[in-house]
Amino acid sequence: TQLLEQSPQFLSIQEGENLTVYCNSSSVFSSLQWYRQEPGEGPVLLVTVVTGGEVKKLKRLTFQFGDARKDSSLHITAAQPGDTGLYLCADGSSNTGKLIFGQGTTLQVKP
Amino acid sequence: SQTIHQWPATLVQPVGSPLSLECTVEGTSNPNLYWYRQAAGRGLQLLFYSVGIGQISSEVPQNLSASRPQDRQFILSSKKLLLSDSGFYLCASRGRYWDYGYTFGSGTRLTVV
Repeated sequence: TQLLEQSPQFLSIQEGENLTVYCNSSSVFSSLQWYRQEPGEGPVLLVTVVTGGEVKKLKRLTFQFGDARKDSSLHITAAQPGDTGLYLCADGSSNTGKLIFGQGTTLQVKP
Repeated sequence: SQTIHQWPATLVQPVGSPLSLECTVEGTSNPNLYWYRQAAGRGLQLLFYSVGIGQISSEVPQNLSASRPQDRQFILSSKKLLLSDSGFYLCASRGRYWDYGYTFGSGTRLTVV
């Protein structure tokens, strides 16, 4: 059974700081997706990465996929209070259609 | 784009009572549909998924069941709720192109008392 481990579990920073959160898998990812979830809402897709070594940027967010496709990082530059939320990584299988989630990193950005 | 309607948003039920949560999808046909449960501030646990009408796969043995009576309708049920069934339940849909990600409903907060 695949296990996704995210670290840190909780992160509290001041507005303007940079941060990085990590996602590691016990096996090779089929495809890696990052989601952001606000309290009381469902997760919203941020990005999908497939190719080892791939880097994607979404405004102040930079997503990196490890060469071996077993790890990923999400870097946020100049964090803002609106970035507050639960960040989840997930592995999606195109064959079975199942999406397996990590336990998430809770980010709190203080103004 | 897909839209998922999930209701109710909040539900408080006594132990031993039945449960029915409904999820409907707009904007796609023949989607894969999923039920997840989430503990507070934590990741999502896959409960059931369906690739078509009447086709249900269960991921974990539990007190819950799921049904898909129509292409874009997914129902989560229980005959008798347990305290451990409390949680945040999310319905999700995946369209034809898996790399577009999953679309989630806004969830149901279930408290069993």
